[in-house]
Amino acid sequence: KAGVTQTPRYLIKTRGQQVTLSCSPISGHRSVSWYQQTPGQGLQFLFEYFSETQRNKGNFPGRFSGRQFSNSRSEMNVSTLELGDSALYLCASSPGTEETQYFGPGTRLLVL
Amino acid sequence: QKEVEQNSGPLSVPEGAIASLNCTYSDRGSQSFFWYRQYSGKSPELIMFIYSNGDKEDGRFTAQLNKASQYVSLLIRDSQPSDSATYLCAVTLSGSARQLTFGSGTQLTVLP
Repeated sequence: KAGVTQTPRYLIKTRGQQVTLSCSPISGHRSVSWYQQTPGQGLQFLFEYFSETQRNKGNFPGRFSGRQFSNSRSEMNVSTLELGDSALYLCASSPGTEETQYFGPGTRLLVL
Repeated sequence: QKEVEQNSGPLSVPEGAIASLNCTYSDRGSQSFFWYRQYSGKSPELIMFIYSNGDKEDGRFTAQLNKASQYVSLLIRDSQPSDSATYLCAVTLSGSARQLTFGSGTQLTVLP
């Protein structure tokens, strides 16, 4: 099976802009979770979607949002970018009925 | 107190030795425990998961879980230079299924 794919892999934005990241889970997986990884805070959970519904949400401001489509693909949006949003954004795929999660390659976002 | 704690290292072991990586967690109700390996510049890769007290072996890797002591460890036998990476411990806290809470990771270097 193909693994989790994320696009784009690298992105440079300026403060105040918005960005949309995309994730395609492993075929047959219905749950997609998003994480932010920074050197200072480590890996932190953003939110999880299952069957187009947000099931869990981490402790991030409302500027961070997401959605999931009927084919399980997911997008994450960050509005009004701040310098501190520079990070590696990781998508993880899971069957949805168990907790094991498999990560994609990530999108590295740099906010200038 | 952090929810999931790991020694940040760095931990150095000679090639062929056993590397022992430790993780403690604060939530006594945690049910699922995962070890991920992350090479520099790459995304986390699932190595093992464990749900029940005791040992679980997979090739050169052994995960050990002691829920009474709130402690999970990963042993790597016959360590190889290719095992040099950051090892992340992840836990699903009670009431937060499918949301992984990560430790800060332990950097392991296997010396040839």
